[in-house]
Amino acid sequence: DSGVTQTPKHLITATGQRVTLRCSPRSGDLSVYWYQQSLDQGLQFLIQYYNGEERAKGNILERFSAQQFPDLHSELNLSSLELGDSALYFCASSVGSGVWRDTQYFGPGTRLTVL
Amino acid sequence: AQTVTQSQPEMSVQEAETVTLSCTYDTSENNYYLFWYKQPPSRQMILVIRQEAYKQQNATENRFSVNFQKAAKSFSLKISDSQLGDTAMYFCAVTNTGNQFYFGTGTSLTVIP
Repeated sequence: DSGVTQTPKHLITATGQRVTLRCSPRSGDLSVYWYQQSLDQGLQFLIQYYNGEERAKGNILERFSAQQFPDLHSELNLSSLELGDSALYFCASSVGSGVWRDTQYFGPGTRLTVL
Repeated sequence: AQTVTQSQPEMSVQEAETVTLSCTYDTSENNYYLFWYKQPPSRQMILVIRQEAYKQQNATENRFSVNFQKAAKSFSLKISDSQLGDTAMYFCAVTNTGNQFYFGTGTSLTVIP
């Protein structure tokens, strides 16, 4: 158990809908990262937040947004869902702000299925 | 952008034997970190080992060790005394000062009893 929690574990929804994925980092970690793992794209970095502020951005679509709250939990919002958004979404956390220095610890993931 | 290549989509090894998973990467940075993550059937991503690029000494963690060849941009993972619980997908990853984390496409390892 990495100490990172994600809810829900599974989510099934329809195209065009909007969903929110939630992540709580390990105790003491200030950074949260979001990843998408799909069969054809592999593991893709989406976005990083550090202590409430956006720190780094990867291949995140405009339909997706994220935020980190004062208690350091983070939410990833996915809107206007398409079939291709079906994937496993991981949250990870680390102590510091620097991706390249920090070891990231991953949560168990949220499996999103868009029908 | 950086690329990470894992050229072995699938591998198998007999229990108690040794196996090496290969990884090559492309970066123009001098400072970076390299990681191996394991993803068992539970889908959890678990850190196996990490290597700092400026350190010449190869990292080791119990039965796991790396062969880091900086000039060749190679970062292979050796698993000794393979156990059934090592069956998983293994991902190589690299990060740099650009605050991005790049993963390879993974190698599926099966340990055969």
